[in-house]
Parts: sequence; structure tokens; C-alpha cells
Amino acid sequence: SQQGEEDPQALSIQEGENATMNCSYKTSINNLQWYRQNSGRGLVHLILIRSNEREKHSGRLRVTLDTSKKSSSLLITASRAADTASYFCATDAKGTALIFGKGTTLSVSS
Amino acid sequence: EAGVAQSPRYKIIEKRQSVAFWCNPISGHATLYWYQQILGQGPKLLIQFQNNGVVDDSQLPKDRFSAERLKGVDSTLKIQPAKLEDSAVYLCASSRSTGGEQYFGPGTRLTVT
Repeated sequence: SQQGEEDPQALSIQEGENATMNCSYKTSINNLQWYRQNSGRGLVHLILIRSNEREKHSGRLRVTLDTSKKSSSLLITASRAADTASYFCATDAKGTALIFGKGTTLSVSS
Repeated sequence: EAGVAQSPRYKIIEKRQSVAFWCNPISGHATLYWYQQILGQGPKLLIQFQNNGVVDDSQLPKDRFSAERLKGVDSTLKIQPAKLEDSAVYLCASSRSTGGEQYFGPGTRLTVT
């Protein structure tokens, strides 16, 4: 069963614009992780945010976590063509392995 | 640090045949995972090992899928007999411990005809 649901399913933007994608989940979690997948580099870990954290930054990435709403968002600032990929949220519920959502497909055009 | 290695990268078989995939995790990573990713979906965990013991195989179709991790390092995933719905990418991942960042291999794309 899928714990996380990303929204939107697909997103198309121009280079330089910001991209925001959201993830909602159903049960309590230890942490939430975001991964990127493209044909060139496979599935790559982007950022991990723990249940007691509200915001985390890594380069052009900003992740927020609202445990009361069971939701997270991933913001990519100043998007580049190389950011074109599918983005997945994955939740680590207490005592279980990661459960991935269906992903958001991001297309950045130059 | 070398990444997670998988082989083969591609495999085409007919239904009812058998197939095996191999994974070599990052050195020192105790936890190893096998995922199945069907086109358009996120990865779904099939089995998780901690060293050479199984932690979670609740979503592994045990009538046709089997996996082992010898000596707590390399792992093999086998499908016998394969069905059309097994067509997917099979991903291996490893991590230092459960719940942390996972490092994924390039995957094996299986096509069952």
C-alpha cells in the first residue's frame, strides 16, 4: 500500500522558476525523505527531515514538514533543465521500512 | 566510495521461465533492500535484510519470489516462474541502518513476454 501521495502528478515550468511539490501521508512517521529519479542517475536521495523538524535546506532545496497535517513540501528554487526528473516522497513509519509515493514528474524547459 | 552494483541491467524472458538478479551493496552497509518499481509508480519494498537476516518480507510473493543474502553482503533475488505482471524495474538499495538514507543501484529492467 502507498503511504505518501505526491501532488501534483506532473509539473511543467521554465528554467529559473521555482517548483513546489507536496506530499501527504497517513500514519505517524519517524522521518520523511525525498528522492529524485531520472534515466541518467537512477534514484537518488535528496533530503531527510525528521519528525521533530519543521524545515530543512540543502542547496536549492527546501523541505518543510507539518506533522499535524501529515504533509510535506519540496521547493526547488531557480530550476534548471537538469532538475527534470520524477520526485518521490518516502515515509519511514515507526518500525517499518520506507514507503514511497507515486511521484511528481517535473519538466523544466529552457 | 563505490555505489550499489546490480546485474544484469536488462533481462527479457518468457512467462513461466525463471530469472535471478544480483546485488552488491555499499561496503559496510548492514541493511539491504529489494524494491519492485512498475512503470508510473513509486518503488515498492519486496524484502529487507539486516545483515543476513530478513526484517520484512511481507510484500514478497513467496510462491514465486525468493531472496537471500549470503554472509550479510551480496544478495540475489529470484523469480520462478515469472508472470507477465512481473515486468518491472527491480531496484536494490542499501543503508547503514534501518530508516536512514538509502543508496540505490541502477536497477534491472525485466520484461516478461
